[in-house]
Amino acid sequence: EPEVTQTPSHQVTQMGQEVILRCVPISNHLYFYWYRQILGQKVEFLVSFYNNEISEKSEIFDDQFSVERPDGSNFTLKIRSTKLEDSAMYFCASSEWLVYEQYFGPGTRLTVT
Amino acid sequence: KNEVEQSPQNLTAQEGEFITINCSYSVGISALHWLQQHPGGGIVSLFMLSSGKKKHGRLIATINIQEKHSSLHITASHPRDSAVYICAVRFLIGTASKLTFGTGTRLQVTL
Repeated sequence: EPEVTQTPSHQVTQMGQEVILRCVPISNHLYFYWYRQILGQKVEFLVSFYNNEISEKSEIFDDQFSVERPDGSNFTLKIRSTKLEDSAMYFCASSEWLVYEQYFGPGTRLTVT
Repeated sequence: KNEVEQSPQNLTAQEGEFITINCSYSVGISALHWLQQHPGGGIVSLFMLSSGKKKHGRLIATINIQEKHSSLHITASHPRDSAVYICAVRFLIGTASKLTFGTGTRLQVTL
């Protein structure tokens, strides 16, 4: 069964460094999403992406964040200058269409020291 | 304010018990998702509902649009059902693609 994959599974970085989290969505899906979950808190929407541009973004998704689909398969989330409070689990998801079921990747645990 | 609330926050059951987890939301929605988060952190989509009822194996999800309420039922619970169950909704008003999540219900099923 097709699945969403994410790399790396765990990333440790120092405050102020740039990180890129990678996702490979399911191949025929058109909508892509990033979510984050700070330890012990609920999952939060960051951004949705369709047709090579951002569809929506939350107030969390400030100028430090960017997303890209650099080729036909990868979908990336970049954090330019990481802060301690960026430490969280980041989930990528994809769906065939906007109101269809979303399929989640296994997550990348980001630790900023 | 667009909010999603789940109850209970924590639930302990013995193997074989019938389990109900509730989700209520503040304003109209276009879809409601039930998700399962494993102890390792991974999230699996269980159901997406916009009306009525869906069943998959021992899991049943129902939604009452008028009452703004959904329930997830697990019949004949088993220790492998132990996980966090999360309700997430797509509100009608405001953003179209954004999911708003509840805080989750932590279920522990014991032998």
